[in-house]
Amino acid sequence: DAGVIQSPRHEVTEMGQEVTLRCKPISGHDYLFWYRQTMMRGLELLIYFNNNVPIDDSGMPEDRFSAKMPNASFSTLKIQPSEPRDSAVYFCASSFALTGSFQETQYFGPGTRLLVL
Amino acid sequence: AQSVTQLDSHVSVSEGTPVLLRCNYSSSYSPSLFWYVQHPNKGLQLLLKYTSAATLVKGINGFEAEFKKSETSFHLTKPSAHMSDAAEYFCVVLKTGANNLFFGTGTRLTVIP
Repeated sequence: DAGVIQSPRHEVTEMGQEVTLRCKPISGHDYLFWYRQTMMRGLELLIYFNNNVPIDDSGMPEDRFSAKMPNASFSTLKIQPSEPRDSAVYFCASSFALTGSFQETQYFGPGTRLLVL
Repeated sequence: AQSVTQLDSHVSVSEGTPVLLRCNYSSSYSPSLFWYVQHPNKGLQLLLKYTSAATLVKGINGFEAEFKKSETSFHLTKPSAHMSDAAEYFCVVLKTGANNLFFGTGTRLTVIP
């Protein structure tokens, strides 16, 4: 398997522009996660999906952020309008469903490095 | 609520000497704990995980961690550091009742030739 795939790997945009980040989870994984990593706040969970349904979006910073998962093999994280403080590395991760006490591992993509000027 | 505290933001060791990266956890239940590594400009890679089986967990690249309930610790160790071990290491706990992870603040490991 190719692992979790994210695109683009780098994105530079100007304040006010719309930014769309993409993620393809590992085939067969039922959970998909979006994280953001910044120097100030470290790694934070933004939102996660189970079977394409958003389960917990309490980490989404504000209404400018939205995430969708139209099918089991694709998810997007959109920022509109973007601001300089959104500059960060955004990671996507996926995992199998939890089964009893077996805690499944989350596998991370390489991340998208976003710079908003 | 589950959380982890990484006690050192930066650790520096000489090549060939032991590595110790410290992590304490807080949890009302028996936690699931992980160590992830992030090399510069790379994604996160799982080193090892503890899920209430053996308390001494062996991971990749010669790393291991020991779960000590009495000390609420899950320290990461390696007998002999290699230059390629230089990276950021994250101690992580799985939030009980949820399928999301809480990351520690990270420890940057520097390996001196």
